[in-house]
Amino acid sequence: GQQLNQSPQSMFIQEGEDVSMNCTSSSIFNTWLWYKQDPGEGPVLLIALYKAGELTSNGRLTAQFGITRKDSFLNISASIPSDVGIYFCAGQLGGAQKLVFGQGTRLTINP
Amino acid sequence: GAVVSQHPSWVICKSGTSVKIECRSLDFQATTMFWYRQFPKQSLMLMATSNEGSKATYEQGVEKDKFLINHASLTLSTLTVTSAHPEDSSFYICSARVPTGADHEQYFGPGTRLTVT
Repeated sequence: GQQLNQSPQSMFIQEGEDVSMNCTSSSIFNTWLWYKQDPGEGPVLLIALYKAGELTSNGRLTAQFGITRKDSFLNISASIPSDVGIYFCAGQLGGAQKLVFGQGTRLTINP
Repeated sequence: GAVVSQHPSWVICKSGTSVKIECRSLDFQATTMFWYRQFPKQSLMLMATSNEGSKATYEQGVEKDKFLINHASLTLSTLTVTSAHPEDSSFYICSARVPTGADHEQYFGPGTRLTVT
């Protein structure tokens, strides 16, 4: 099935560093979403993007909906230990309600 | 916010037996629920869309006779893995859509880890 290309697959950073990850697709999406998943848990929504070019923040997190509607990035500033986890991007086609997920970015933080 | 629960949180069963997993929306009514499967270190893959009072819509490659979905009420959907085999061992996650919310407003359950021995 359709899949988003998410990179990097994993990141090992020091506490306090900024983080950047992105997703690309060959198809256009009408909505881009970013989720965080902790081990053994379901994903939790972090940021939702609805319009091409939209830049949205949620605390230390910032995400943007690409102009072409085929990509999105997520930035985390001044990382802290609780940011550890797997981050997934997800795209939603218009009206279909189905979410297509990226492969995930596993974030590890060294204190 | 909207809360979705799953039961059980983990289950171990023998090959050939059937296992039922429940997904409940605790504080809202969900006309649509989704079932995902996630293998270790992999992404979530949509298995089927469950609509209250009607048949589920399965994604390509998902056997509807093996993964039985019942959405009998606005707060409960069940996934039954029939004649389970070791390759069915996975993390099964459901999500529920808030009917009055934006299309994206799906809230995920905590997942059920199935191990088939």
